Amino acid sequence: SQTIHQWPATLVQPVGSPLSLECTVEGTSNPNLYWYRQAAGRGLQLLFYSVGIGQISSEVPQNLSASRPQDRQFILSSKKLLLSDSGFYLCAWGLLGGYNEQFFGPGTRLTVL
Amino acid sequence: QKEVEQNSGPLSVPEGAIASLNCTYSDRGSQSFFWYRQYSGKSPELIMSIYSNGDKEDGRFTAQLNKASQYVSLLIRDSQPSDSATYLCAVNRLAFGKGNQVVVIP
Repeated sequence: SQTIHQWPATLVQPVGSPLSLECTVEGTSNPNLYWYRQAAGRGLQLLFYSVGIGQISSEVPQNLSASRPQDRQFILSSKKLLLSDSGFYLCAWGLLGGYNEQFFGPGTRLTVL
Repeated sequence: QKEVEQNSGPLSVPEGAIASLNCTYSDRGSQSFFWYRQYSGKSPELIMSIYSNGDKEDGRFTAQLNKASQYVSLLIRDSQPSDSATYLCAVNRLAFGKGNQVVVIP
């Protein structure tokens, strides 16, 4: 069966500090991978998605970036965090060529102070 | 117009009643529709998917799709306190609604 991992689970960072969040998927190959952010009381905002190694599509221009160095690894980064980057970051995977279902990881709760 | 809209405010239902949630979408060519459940502080969990007009039942959940009217709904029968959560509607791969909170009152 497929499993998706995210770490860390919670993170408190000062403004201006760098960020690296990691997501890995087990039990499947060539998945579509997604990064979402959910601010308090708001809906899911798609940040990035990837259909393969090194292929990243950005949905929202901002100070975040994503990379996919391996087939089942997706990394979200920032060089300098802003207060507005606080939120619940969710990684998700879906089958390449599937019916577009997405399966979410446990999430990382980021607080920028 | 937003791609996926869930306009209802928080929904309170007594235990054992039916909870009804609605979602409208703007892209007439949409092919796949999903409902996710999200407990407070947790990540969304896929509970229903539907691809063709009509009803699809899975346990106490029924998804209803009407492509002509561009809406998809979710019915929760015999609501339980454990159904208290936010329900997210999603269309195709990347469009999510903001969600509707459901509170089941014992």
